[in-house]
Amino acid sequence: EADIYQTPRYLVIGTGKKITLECSQTMGHDKMYWYQQDPGMELHLIHYSYGVNSTEKGDLSSESTVSRIRTEHFPLTLESARPSHTSQYLCASSSGLGTQETQYFGPGTRLLVL
Amino acid sequence: GQQVMQIPQYQHVQEGEDFTTYCNSSTTLSNIQWYKQRPGGHPVFLIQLVKSGEVKKQKRLTFQFGEAKKNSSLHITATQTTDVGTYFCAGNFGNEKLTFGTGTRLTIIP
Repeated sequence: EADIYQTPRYLVIGTGKKITLECSQTMGHDKMYWYQQDPGMELHLIHYSYGVNSTEKGDLSSESTVSRIRTEHFPLTLESARPSHTSQYLCASSSGLGTQETQYFGPGTRLLVL
Repeated sequence: GQQVMQIPQYQHVQEGEDFTTYCNSSTTLSNIQWYKQRPGGHPVFLIQLVKSGEVKKQKRLTFQFGEAKKNSSLHITATQTTDVGTYFCAGNFGNEKLTFGTGTRLTIIP
């Protein structure tokens, strides 16, 4: 079982609020990822990081931002939540050995913006 | 852009029947991985295929990688209720970033 944690697991919040979704892993992985997923649907990569102080935007445009100040921590922030941000957010990490990486996913945060 | 397509999007089978999901890419893959996501859960790694024509088995699950390394399949023999979930393939195009397929949601009719 992978050691990757996400908090909160569920969040209901009003429009316009600032939120931060936390993701931490204890495996020492360099690579970390954020995906957005509607229930039972595709995984959309929104951000990724290959190490400390390295962040990149993913394939799906997102109004969220991320930071990577420590290897184990990769928080995602929404400055002003909107109902269109309602979704599940999944964090993942990998050891990133060349092209043969396996991604380990956290349990996810289900976000509902009213 | 580099995409990985999966079919079918949904599959409903009677318990005990077989199930297959297919994954296709327009360009050659370095390797392909398969993940399973149970309802309400998160994706969990199942297996990785690297070699052209590779076939791997895990109990009732059989994974294949095409000779041209552009397609892959997952076959489940005699499905059980525990097989319910969404199966994703994820391809690597040699740029160290996985591209997930669209997923196939499997439901089992008892």
